Amino acid sequence: RKEVEQDPGPFNVPEGATVAFNCTYSNSASQSFFWYRQDCRKEPKLLMSVYSSGNEDGRFTAQLNRASQYISLLIRDSKLSDSATYLCVVLPYGQNFVFGPGTRLSVLP
Amino acid sequence: DAGITQSPRHKVTETGTPVTLRCHQTENHRYMYWYRQDPGHGLRLIHYSYGVKDTDKGEVSDGYSVSRSKTEDFLLTLESATSSQTSVYFCAISVVAGNRRVDEQFFGPGTRLTVL
Repeated sequence: RKEVEQDPGPFNVPEGATVAFNCTYSNSASQSFFWYRQDCRKEPKLLMSVYSSGNEDGRFTAQLNRASQYISLLIRDSKLSDSATYLCVVLPYGQNFVFGPGTRLSVLP
Repeated sequence: DAGITQSPRHKVTETGTPVTLRCHQTENHRYMYWYRQDPGHGLRLIHYSYGVKDTDKGEVSDGYSVSRSKTEDFLLTLESATSSQTSVYFCAISVVAGNRRVDEQFFGPGTRLTVL
């Protein structure tokens, strides 16, 4: 089993739709969680950290469920510019970052 | 922008030749990393460094070596390139607060390497 697994995708949604991405991790010692965004042929860029209480940044909401070892990202009112691959990243205590394989999103006009 | 550059940005080479990729940062970050990214896999850690001359292996270090003689430069060397090393290579840094690594990474623009 991979350490970090994500929805295989791709997700093709119309503009204005709400889309949710799921991520599960296997290492219960994981202490920090992130969502990164990666545009085609570009480097990953930090979208948001994920806190235990859940957090929101504009149209983006991240949730963490430590008991189920599950992280989610919700995008509301999708824009064309949201088209990208979304990477779930986990940082276990005392170890290095572990990246999921990513879920590709295409927002269609 | 974390001030990270990578060179070259693109390279095509032949099997068996040595290749060195350079990562340069301008903000004196202590932690630096080399990853490779391939379809179907997440970013996979090759090597990382936690200071000048302090390096360690990641999960896919076979066939790669690194050096860090200055804070600002982290070099990745493929001693004898193979076709399986065709990939996109990303350098990254972690920000440090005080003496503690902060839990965020920032990436360079990447190097596309093709080994024929």
